[in-house]
Amino acid sequence: DTGVSQDPRHKITKRGQNVTFRCDPISEHNRLYWYRQTLGQGPEFLTYFQNEAQLEKSRLLSDRFSAERPKGSFSTLEIQRTEQGDSAMYLCASSPVPGQGSSYGYTFGSGTRLTVV
Amino acid sequence: RKEVEQDPGPFNVPEGATVAFNCTYSNSASQSFFWYRQDCRKEPKLLMSVYSSGNEDGRFTAQLNRASQYISLLIRDSKLSDSATYLCVVNMLGAAGNKLTFGGGTRVLVKP
Repeated sequence: DTGVSQDPRHKITKRGQNVTFRCDPISEHNRLYWYRQTLGQGPEFLTYFQNEAQLEKSRLLSDRFSAERPKGSFSTLEIQRTEQGDSAMYLCASSPVPGQGSSYGYTFGSGTRLTVV
Repeated sequence: RKEVEQDPGPFNVPEGATVAFNCTYSNSASQSFFWYRQDCRKEPKLLMSVYSSGNEDGRFTAQLNRASQYISLLIRDSKLSDSATYLCVVNMLGAAGNKLTFGGGTRVLVKP
């Protein structure tokens, strides 16, 4: 499979519990992104990595959220002490590093749908 | 003001008709532009890049107006399978690199 894989596809958790999601990007892609999408909205940027370095974090990413990409391959997104407002689709995407003056679109995974009850 | 704004629709389109819609972006430093398609409860998928001179991909035509900071997408001869949400996406290249900013999407419903 050469696409972006996310696991799990669905997660239902009780408020206050911790959850962790995994993303496996396309192997040749150096960049990995996490987005969050709620119903009727477009994806909102959370954070991104180039190889193992986390280069940018959104203000949306509160201190309950942490992301890692320890070996520059797969990434995990952890949410601690989940709240009902965390219910959303969490999307992972990957891309090559853009060349000078160019940009690439992303390839998205199928997402992890989180429901906090 | 949102960085990328779109009319949420829905645009109800008879099969075979033409539909067009725009999005506007606020950051004049934006350098790359895309349209993504998203089906219900699925991930976004790249539909096409948008180039300054305008470009076509089959029944789809994208235009960019940098002066007015808007992007358009036109779909000719609409098919039932074109029913989806179309996301306008911009990218501002720089030290932070390739971070895409998405609009809220325009929903298109093609009906027989």
